[in-house]
Amino acid sequence: AQRVTQPEKLLSVFKGAPVELKCNYSYSGSPELFWYVQYSRQRLQLLLRHISRESIKGFTADLNKGETSFHLKKPFAQEEDSAMYYCALRRGDAGNNRKLIWGLGTSLAVNP
Amino acid sequence: NAGVTQTPKFQVLKTGQSMTLQCAQDMNHNSMYWYRQDPGMGLRLIYYSASEGTTDKGEVPNGYNVSRLNKREFSLRLESAAPSQTSVYFCASSAWDRSTEAFFGQGTRLTVV
Repeated sequence: AQRVTQPEKLLSVFKGAPVELKCNYSYSGSPELFWYVQYSRQRLQLLLRHISRESIKGFTADLNKGETSFHLKKPFAQEEDSAMYYCALRRGDAGNNRKLIWGLGTSLAVNP
Repeated sequence: NAGVTQTPKFQVLKTGQSMTLQCAQDMNHNSMYWYRQDPGMGLRLIYYSASEGTTDKGEVPNGYNVSRLNKREFSLRLESAAPSQTSVYFCASSAWDRSTEAFFGQGTRLTVV
């Protein structure tokens, strides 16, 4: 079965420190991976998708198929990065089944 | 462009009462979803609709029913609310294209007393 694991419920760093939010997945096929972010009392929104290989708000994430990981990284955390971050997977071979499989989320707190 | 709109934003119910959460999207998306979000539990899929006219159970469907009224609208009904259904509910939609993102509504904060 497909599974997404985010091992840290809470991650606390100081402003300017590097941050890495871990995401591991289990899926034997070709996955599509995403990071979503939810700022306080706001709706979830897409932050990154692996296929785009882009940097958004200074965040990057690289799909490592060997380690089955899709960790989210930022070299210098900002206070406005404080939010809940969710890693999500979708089966690449799922046709019209667009369901996402979600991790439990990591709450990032960036302290001044 | 409104995206995904949910109503109501807040609701308090007494145990045993019923209510319907409404969701509409204006992006011409095929698929729509209902999630609940609870502390420490992440997002759990209640029901989804891959396309107009179809609905399927997710991880936690018990106590809920859904209706995909048309391509735009996907409602979630609680027939007899229970305190365990106190949660924040999110509706989402997505297209069928590969790697398309899911767009979320702003959430409904439901309390069952």
